[in-house]
Amino acid sequence: DAKTTQPPSMDCAEGRAANLPCNHSTISGNEYVYWYRQIHSQGPQYIIHGLKNNETNEMASLIITEDRKSSTLILPHATLRDTAVYYCIVRASGSSNTGKLIFGQGTTLQVKP
Amino acid sequence: DAGVIQSPRHEVTEMGQEVTLRCKPISGHDYLFWYRQTMMRGLELLIYFNNNVPIDDSGMPEDRFSAKMPNASFSTLKIQPSEPRDSAVYFCASSFGDVLQFFGPGTRLTVL
Repeated sequence: DAKTTQPPSMDCAEGRAANLPCNHSTISGNEYVYWYRQIHSQGPQYIIHGLKNNETNEMASLIITEDRKSSTLILPHATLRDTAVYYCIVRASGSSNTGKLIFGQGTTLQVKP
Repeated sequence: DAGVIQSPRHEVTEMGQEVTLRCKPISGHDYLFWYRQTMMRGLELLIYFNNNVPIDDSGMPEDRFSAKMPNASFSTLKIQPSEPRDSAVYFCASSFGDVLQFFGPGTRLTVL
């Protein structure tokens, strides 16, 4: 059980911001939100993660709602190379949950010229 | 930094043959994971190791599958005997601590 809900697909125009939503209404207080992406024929790639504060790195921004029941991954200026499947995963840190990344079906983002 | 290395990248074999997939994790990482990806089932965790010790093999589909990690720099996933339904892309990943996993390029296995 993935514990997250994502739209199966989205389109975005090149150069525009891509906003990928994720619902995780049953998230627990100690669970983080992780985002990975998988470009065709490659292994998944870590993007960003957060607990309750918004996060930003060189790849993306993560906006988590105050009640933590949903989040949005933002790619500020999407390029054709950002076309991929994006996975939203919730997971607690700590030894009792070590290793368990449960990948759902993700969102297929198509960036169009 | 070479990243996670997997070999072979492609494997085509006949039903009933033994298949061995290999993985070299990133140096210094203490966790190693094996995943399988198919169109029908998506990306599934098969087994993972911590400091070369198997921690959770609940995702291993059946006794035909086995995995070993004889040292910190090498792991194998073996299928014996192989079946057509084992056809998939097999990914190896490693991490330092249990947080951020780095994936290899995968091995595409086709069992005829």
